[in-house]
Amino acid sequence: QSVLTQPPSASGTPGQRVTISCSGSSSNIGSNYVYWYQQLPGTAPKLLIYRNNQRPSGVPDRFSGSKSGTSASLAISGLRSEDEADYHCAAWDDSLTGWVFGGGTKLTVL
Amino acid sequence: QVQLVQSGAEVKKPGASVKVSCKASGYTFTNYDISWVRQAPGQGLEWMGWISVYNDNTDYAQKLQGRVTMTTDTSTSTAYMELRSLRSDDTAVYYCARGGGQLHEFDYWGQGTLVTVSS
Repeated sequence: QSVLTQPPSASGTPGQRVTISCSGSSSNIGSNYVYWYQQLPGTAPKLLIYRNNQRPSGVPDRFSGSKSGTSASLAISGLRSEDEADYHCAAWDDSLTGWVFGGGTKLTVL
Repeated sequence: QVQLVQSGAEVKKPGASVKVSCKASGYTFTNYDISWVRQAPGQGLEWMGWISVYNDNTDYAQKLQGRVTMTTDTSTSTAYMELRSLRSDDTAVYYCARGGGQLHEFDYWGQGTLVTVSS
């Protein structure tokens, strides 16, 4: 089992807004930044959101991140077919002194 | 542009060792840490550890302590990850990524190396 908890799947139709949750504890999300990675089918993960809500250069503003307490969320607005991918959340864990990930959420665009 | 290019797929028998390489280009190699992350088939990502390219300090995930070694060769801008005493549940795609410490996200990733452990 992964230290961070994500729903295994999510879906939406083109143009919709979807959110993906990530739940942790006081030793990880509660006290450290949250990061999100997008993994397109058959490819390596790509940094999508860093430090809770910052977008790297080149990431559309349709993607946004937020954090509250020991949980975080990734929101995707104006859903497109090319957003179909696995999304992984991550955070540093002070108790484990290492990075922990969620199990990943497979997003399907219907 | 920043690139991390990994070595090719490997097939190993249980108990053997594997060493995966990760050649960096497009940036100053010694300015960034390198981490290793693996992904078992159909599973999520698992952080294995990181190495400071600047001073060779390492930090390994507790469950891999004693079986994993991460090194670098600054003359060729290449990072290495060796995993010993391989088991079937070590079958995974292994990724190198730039970044590692508590405040350093993984901003660039290698293409991944499939390691299959099978008798």
